[in-house]
Amino acid sequence: AQTVTQSQPEMSVQEAETVTLSCTYDTSESDYYLFWYKQPPSRQMILVIRQEAYKQQNATENRFSVNFQKAAKSFSLKISDSQLGDAAMYFCAYRRAGANSKLTFGKGITLSVRP
Amino acid sequence: DSGVTQTPKHLITATGQRVTLRCSPRSGDLSVYWYQQSLDQGLQFLIQYYNGEERAKGNILERFSAQQFPDLHSELNLSSLELGDSALYFCASSQTGLQGYTFGSGTRLTVV
Repeated sequence: AQTVTQSQPEMSVQEAETVTLSCTYDTSESDYYLFWYKQPPSRQMILVIRQEAYKQQNATENRFSVNFQKAAKSFSLKISDSQLGDAAMYFCAYRRAGANSKLTFGKGITLSVRP
Repeated sequence: DSGVTQTPKHLITATGQRVTLRCSPRSGDLSVYWYQQSLDQGLQFLIQYYNGEERAKGNILERFSAQQFPDLHSELNLSSLELGDSALYFCASSQTGLQGYTFGSGTRLTVV
Protein backbone atom coordinates (compact mmCIF):
# COMPACT_ATOMS: atom_id res chain seq x y z
CA ALA A 1 0.00 0.00 0.00
CA GLN A 2 1.13 3.49 -0.73
CA THR A 3 1.85 5.80 2.18
CA VAL A 4 2.60 9.49 2.38
CA THR A 5 4.49 10.92 5.33
CA GLN A 6 4.69 14.52 6.43
CA SER A 7 6.78 14.40 9.57
CA GLN A 8 6.63 18.08 10.51
CA PRO A 9 3.24 18.99 11.99
CA GLU A 10 3.94 22.73 12.05
CA MET A 11 6.25 25.29 10.52
CA SER A 12 6.59 29.03 10.67
CA VAL A 13 8.11 31.50 8.22
CA GLN A 14 8.72 35.22 8.18
CA GLU A 15 6.83 37.16 5.54
CA ALA A 16 8.89 37.51 2.32
CA GLU A 17 11.18 34.64 3.31
CA THR A 18 11.38 31.15 1.82
CA VAL A 19 10.15 27.97 3.45
CA THR A 20 10.37 24.32 2.47
CA LEU A 21 7.77 21.73 3.46
CA SER A 22 8.88 18.10 3.44
CA CYS A 23 7.10 15.02 2.22
CA THR A 24 8.17 11.43 1.66
CA TYR A 25 6.18 8.62 0.17
CA ASP A 26 6.41 4.91 -0.29
CA THR A 27 5.33 3.05 -3.39
CA SER A 28 6.37 0.15 -5.55
CA GLU A 29 4.94 1.82 -8.65
CA SER A 30 7.18 3.49 -11.19
CA ASP A 31 4.53 5.73 -12.74
CA TYR A 32 2.58 8.01 -10.48
CA TYR A 33 1.67 11.60 -9.67
CA LEU A 34 2.37 13.77 -6.68
CA PHE A 35 0.45 16.80 -5.51
CA TRP A 36 0.50 19.54 -2.93
CA TYR A 37 -2.86 20.83 -1.73
CA LYS A 38 -3.46 23.92 0.38
CA GLN A 39 -6.27 24.11 2.91
CA PRO A 40 -6.77 27.64 4.28
CA PRO A 41 -9.03 28.40 7.24
CA SER A 42 -12.00 28.36 4.85
CA ARG A 43 -11.35 24.58 4.62
CA GLN A 44 -11.44 24.60 0.83
CA MET A 45 -8.91 22.17 -0.69
CA ILE A 46 -6.88 23.98 -3.34
CA LEU A 47 -4.44 22.30 -5.70
CA VAL A 48 -1.10 24.11 -5.48
CA ILE A 49 1.18 22.10 -7.73
CA ARG A 50 1.54 18.67 -9.28
CA GLN A 51 4.43 16.54 -10.49
CA GLU A 52 4.45 13.60 -12.86
CA ALA A 53 6.94 10.94 -11.75
CA TYR A 54 8.20 10.34 -15.28
CA LYS A 55 9.29 13.97 -15.59
CA GLN A 56 12.72 14.77 -14.24
CA GLN A 57 12.13 18.50 -14.31
CA ASN A 58 10.76 19.91 -11.08
CA ALA A 59 7.36 21.58 -11.36
CA THR A 60 7.00 25.31 -10.74
CA GLU A 61 3.93 27.48 -10.30
CA ASN A 62 4.81 31.11 -9.66
CA ARG A 63 6.21 31.28 -6.09
CA PHE A 64 5.72 27.55 -5.54
CA SER A 65 8.20 24.93 -6.68
CA VAL A 66 8.97 21.35 -5.80
CA ASN A 67 12.11 19.33 -5.26
CA PHE A 68 11.26 15.89 -6.56
CA GLN A 69 13.79 13.18 -5.74
CA LYS A 70 12.39 9.97 -7.20
CA ALA A 71 15.08 7.62 -5.93
CA ALA A 72 14.75 8.99 -2.42
CA LYS A 73 10.94 9.12 -2.72
CA SER A 74 10.97 12.68 -1.54
CA PHE A 75 8.72 15.52 -2.70
CA SER A 76 9.23 18.84 -0.92
CA LEU A 77 7.42 22.10 -1.57
CA LYS A 78 9.29 25.40 -1.58
CA ILE A 79 7.37 28.62 -1.10
CA SER A 80 9.33 31.72 -2.03
CA ASP A 81 8.53 35.28 -0.96
CA SER A 82 6.02 34.00 1.60
CA GLN A 83 2.85 36.01 1.97
CA LEU A 84 0.32 36.22 4.78
CA GLY A 85 -2.19 34.48 2.53
CA ASP A 86 0.06 31.42 2.38
CA ALA A 87 -0.81 30.59 5.97
CA ALA A 88 -2.72 27.33 5.75
CA MET A 89 -2.51 23.60 6.13
CA TYR A 90 -0.58 21.92 3.32
CA PHE A 91 -1.15 18.33 2.29
CA CYS A 92 1.12 16.19 0.19
CA ALA A 93 -0.71 13.58 -1.89
CA TYR A 94 0.08 10.62 -4.13
CA ARG A 95 -1.81 8.74 -6.76
CA ARG A 96 -0.64 5.96 -8.99
CA ALA A 97 -0.94 6.34 -12.73
CA GLY A 98 -4.06 5.05 -14.37
CA ALA A 99 -7.38 6.70 -14.78
CA ASN A 100 -9.31 7.46 -11.66
CA SER A 101 -7.04 6.05 -9.00
CA LYS A 102 -7.51 7.48 -5.54
CA LEU A 103 -5.44 10.16 -3.86
CA THR A 104 -3.57 9.18 -0.72
CA PHE A 105 -2.82 12.12 1.57
CA GLY A 106 -0.24 12.81 4.21
CA LYS A 107 -1.41 14.12 7.58
CA GLY A 108 -0.63 17.69 6.62
CA ILE A 109 1.53 20.50 7.96
CA THR A 110 0.29 23.76 9.39
CA LEU A 111 2.21 26.73 8.04
CA SER A 112 2.04 30.06 9.81
CA VAL A 113 3.43 33.28 8.32
CA ARG A 114 4.79 35.96 10.67
CA PRO A 115 4.31 39.58 9.55
CA ASP B 1 -16.18 28.41 -7.06
CA SER B 2 -14.42 25.12 -7.85
CA GLY B 3 -17.33 23.75 -9.87
CA VAL B 4 -17.96 20.94 -7.39
CA THR B 5 -21.06 21.63 -5.32
CA GLN B 6 -21.71 20.08 -1.96
CA THR B 7 -24.84 20.47 0.10
CA PRO B 8 -25.53 21.14 2.86
CA LYS B 9 -22.54 23.12 4.10
CA HIS B 10 -23.32 22.42 7.72
CA LEU B 11 -25.35 19.71 9.39
CA ILE B 12 -26.04 19.14 13.06
CA THR B 13 -27.81 15.97 14.05
CA ALA B 14 -28.26 13.63 16.98
CA THR B 15 -26.65 10.28 17.59
CA GLY B 16 -28.51 7.40 15.97
CA GLN B 17 -29.85 9.52 13.15
CA ARG B 18 -29.33 9.21 9.41
CA VAL B 19 -28.19 11.96 7.05
CA THR B 20 -27.56 12.33 3.33
CA LEU B 21 -24.78 14.44 1.88
CA ARG B 22 -25.02 15.49 -1.72
CA CYS B 23 -22.36 16.25 -4.32
CA SER B 24 -22.59 17.55 -7.87
CA PRO B 25 -19.32 17.06 -9.75
CA ARG B 26 -17.71 19.56 -12.06
CA SER B 27 -19.19 19.56 -15.54
CA GLY B 28 -17.65 16.78 -17.61
CA ASP B 29 -16.15 14.89 -14.68
CA LEU B 30 -17.26 11.28 -14.47
CA SER B 31 -15.48 10.31 -11.26
CA VAL B 32 -16.61 11.25 -7.79
CA TYR B 33 -14.61 10.60 -4.64
CA TRP B 34 -15.68 10.96 -1.03
CA TYR B 35 -13.24 11.79 1.75
CA GLN B 36 -13.64 12.22 5.48
CA GLN B 37 -11.48 14.74 7.33
CA SER B 38 -11.49 14.49 11.08
CA LEU B 39 -9.17 16.27 13.47
CA ASP B 40 -6.90 13.37 14.24
CA GLN B 41 -7.19 11.26 11.12
CA GLY B 42 -6.37 13.61 8.29
CA LEU B 43 -8.07 13.01 4.96
CA GLN B 44 -9.38 9.47 4.68
CA PHE B 45 -10.61 8.06 1.40
CA LEU B 46 -14.07 6.59 1.67
CA ILE B 47 -15.33 5.58 -1.74
CA GLN B 48 -15.10 6.30 -5.47
CA TYR B 49 -17.66 6.17 -8.22
CA TYR B 50 -17.08 6.36 -11.94
CA ASN B 51 -19.99 6.99 -14.28
CA GLY B 52 -22.45 5.42 -11.89
CA GLU B 53 -20.40 2.43 -10.84
CA GLU B 54 -18.49 1.88 -7.63
CA ARG B 55 -14.78 1.73 -8.45
CA ALA B 56 -12.92 1.66 -5.17
CA LYS B 57 -13.62 1.46 -1.48
CA GLY B 58 -11.48 2.79 1.31
CA ASN B 59 -12.06 3.03 5.02
CA ILE B 60 -15.81 3.30 4.74
CA LEU B 61 -17.90 1.98 7.61
CA GLU B 62 -20.75 -0.41 6.96
CA ARG B 63 -23.10 2.24 8.35
CA PHE B 64 -22.11 4.46 5.43
CA SER B 65 -23.15 3.97 1.83
CA ALA B 66 -23.00 5.98 -1.36
CA GLN B 67 -24.28 6.02 -4.88
CA GLN B 68 -23.85 7.96 -8.09
CA PHE B 69 -26.90 8.73 -10.16
CA PRO B 70 -27.31 8.88 -13.96
CA ASP B 71 -26.89 12.66 -13.89
CA LEU B 72 -23.55 11.96 -12.13
CA HIS B 73 -24.40 13.59 -8.85
CA SER B 74 -23.54 11.50 -5.83
CA GLU B 75 -24.96 11.01 -2.37
CA LEU B 76 -23.25 9.76 0.74
CA ASN B 77 -25.61 8.25 3.30
CA LEU B 78 -24.50 8.05 6.93
CA SER B 79 -26.70 6.11 9.32
CA SER B 80 -26.76 5.21 13.01
CA LEU B 81 -24.58 8.22 13.57
CA GLU B 82 -22.08 8.29 16.42
CA LEU B 83 -20.23 11.18 18.00
CA GLY B 84 -17.06 10.03 16.26
CA ASP B 85 -18.64 10.55 12.85
CA SER B 86 -18.38 14.29 13.37
CA ALA B 87 -16.06 15.47 10.62
CA LEU B 88 -15.73 17.42 7.41
CA TYR B 89 -16.86 15.35 4.45
CA PHE B 90 -15.40 16.26 1.09
CA CYS B 91 -16.48 15.32 -2.35
CA ALA B 92 -14.05 15.64 -5.23
CA SER B 93 -14.34 15.00 -8.93
CA SER B 94 -11.97 14.38 -11.80
CA GLN B 95 -11.89 13.45 -15.46
CA THR B 96 -8.76 11.39 -15.82
CA GLY B 97 -7.09 12.44 -12.63
CA LEU B 98 -4.02 13.81 -14.35
CA GLN B 99 -4.93 17.27 -13.19
CA GLY B 100 -5.57 16.15 -9.66
CA TYR B 101 -8.98 16.32 -8.15
CA THR B 102 -11.26 19.31 -7.81
CA PHE B 103 -12.73 19.47 -4.34
CA GLY B 104 -16.02 20.82 -3.15
CA SER B 105 -16.15 23.07 -0.11
CA GLY B 106 -17.18 20.19 2.14
CA THR B 107 -20.04 19.40 4.49
CA ARG B 108 -19.35 19.96 8.17
CA LEU B 109 -21.21 17.25 10.09
CA THR B 110 -21.63 17.60 13.82
CA VAL B 111 -23.20 14.74 15.74
CA VAL B 112 -24.46 15.68 19.20
